[in-house]
Amino acid sequence: ETGVTQTPRHLVMGMTNKKSLKCEQHLGHNAMYWYKQSAKKPLELMFVYNFKEQTENNSVPSRFSPECPNSSHLFLHLHTLQPEDSALYLCASSHSRSSYNSPLHFGNGTRLTVT
Amino acid sequence: DAKTTQPPSMDCAEGRAANLPCNHSTISGNEYVYWYRQIHSQGPQYIIHGLKNNETNEMASLIITEDRKSSTLILPHATLRDTAVYYCIVRVAAYSGAGSYQLTFGKGTKLSVIP
Repeated sequence: ETGVTQTPRHLVMGMTNKKSLKCEQHLGHNAMYWYKQSAKKPLELMFVYNFKEQTENNSVPSRFSPECPNSSHLFLHLHTLQPEDSALYLCASSHSRSSYNSPLHFGNGTRLTVT
Repeated sequence: DAKTTQPPSMDCAEGRAANLPCNHSTISGNEYVYWYRQIHSQGPQYIIHGLKNNETNEMASLIITEDRKSSTLILPHATLRDTAVYYCIVRVAAYSGAGSYQLTFGKGTKLSVIP
């Protein structure tokens, strides 16, 4: 139990589908993150939210749309994805970015397959 | 962030101490050393971090050399559940704009704990 819960754990979607990934943290953190982990590639930062405000978009295509309604919840809305978007999508949280040495705590990810 | 170098794999007998080395010869004075591990099909798990002093928590100990160019993660009594890929990461101590939260996970060390 990491304190960061992601649902669903597995998702298969077609290129024309619209789906959403959900992340919830129970650690009292104020910063939340989306990372992408592709096979044989390093972890890639996608988005950062600090106190519900998006502070970083790491040049992510617009077919990925994040939403952070409050400091405990984070969503990643997906539409018209490509097969190369298949990956493990990881959510993480930490104390706010002003707590500069606060470690990130990750969820167990959503394994996404785009067909 | 500075690059790190770790051995690709190590074995450790169950119940013995596992000592995982990491070289970070280009580390800057304002960079922390973080250790994470990733068990198959799970998200990265935070283990420990430090700046220049040795650190210990309930999971592990972190020994950082005086010149800060290398460190060792010690799991005092390895169990089969410690089998995972261990990542050593250096990260800036202060938020310095976009990209500060790009955790650069290298290839890590695959630790196999042998019964």
